[in-house]
Amino acid sequence: GAGVSQSPSNKVTEKGKDVELRCDPISGHTALYWYRQSLGQGLEFLIYFQGNSAPDKSGLPSDRFSAERTGGSVSTLTIQRTQQEDSAVYLCASSLRGENKRTNEKLFFGSGTQLSVL
Amino acid sequence: DAKTTQPPSMDCAEGRAANLPCNHSTISGNEYVYWYRQIHSQGPQYIIHGLKNNETNEMASLIITEDRKSSTLILPHATLRDTAVYYCIVRVGRGAGSYQLTFGKGTKLSVIP
Repeated sequence: GAGVSQSPSNKVTEKGKDVELRCDPISGHTALYWYRQSLGQGLEFLIYFQGNSAPDKSGLPSDRFSAERTGGSVSTLTIQRTQQEDSAVYLCASSLRGENKRTNEKLFFGSGTQLSVL
Repeated sequence: DAKTTQPPSMDCAEGRAANLPCNHSTISGNEYVYWYRQIHSQGPQYIIHGLKNNETNEMASLIITEDRKSSTLILPHATLRDTAVYYCIVRVGRGAGSYQLTFGKGTKLSVIP
């Protein structure tokens, strides 16, 4: 596609349920990023993928959060046993080559998934 | 720890230049200044970046002070569609950590008809 695509655009779930959020990066982009934005707050870095590997998972807030990327393309962010504080917009971004291949890359963001945990 | 300081909000009359300031007094020599904006209900959008020279593209101009401790993003002729939150970010150009953009709360720019 022309841009970063995220699905679903909105997800309402009950506390304790698991959710999966999907990100389709721009075709050919090797780097993929997940961010979280709580209401009225700035963006919080979660995880970065270079290809299928994640050099930095330090931003994941707890072990209930995990992410994977397959085929160097689609990524899934999974939140297990959701809590109300997980409610936020989850944003995915991609860039062409990532940290060591090219300087000053632009990140292209999707429109996000609005997650609401009741 | 966003490493930058921006005013929380600004107003600008439509058609006028919008000048958005950013302080980054602890910037390192290998760190660039980036600007992104986020229109309501959308993901952030890249605007411009620079190291020490002033930069201009089709969207905006970036003026960086000689000591690099502050910068100003200029939208030369603001339109209503420029209403957004503008984020100023410092980031190393390449290598370890260069992937991570640290977003603060930004400046909410309201363009007024």
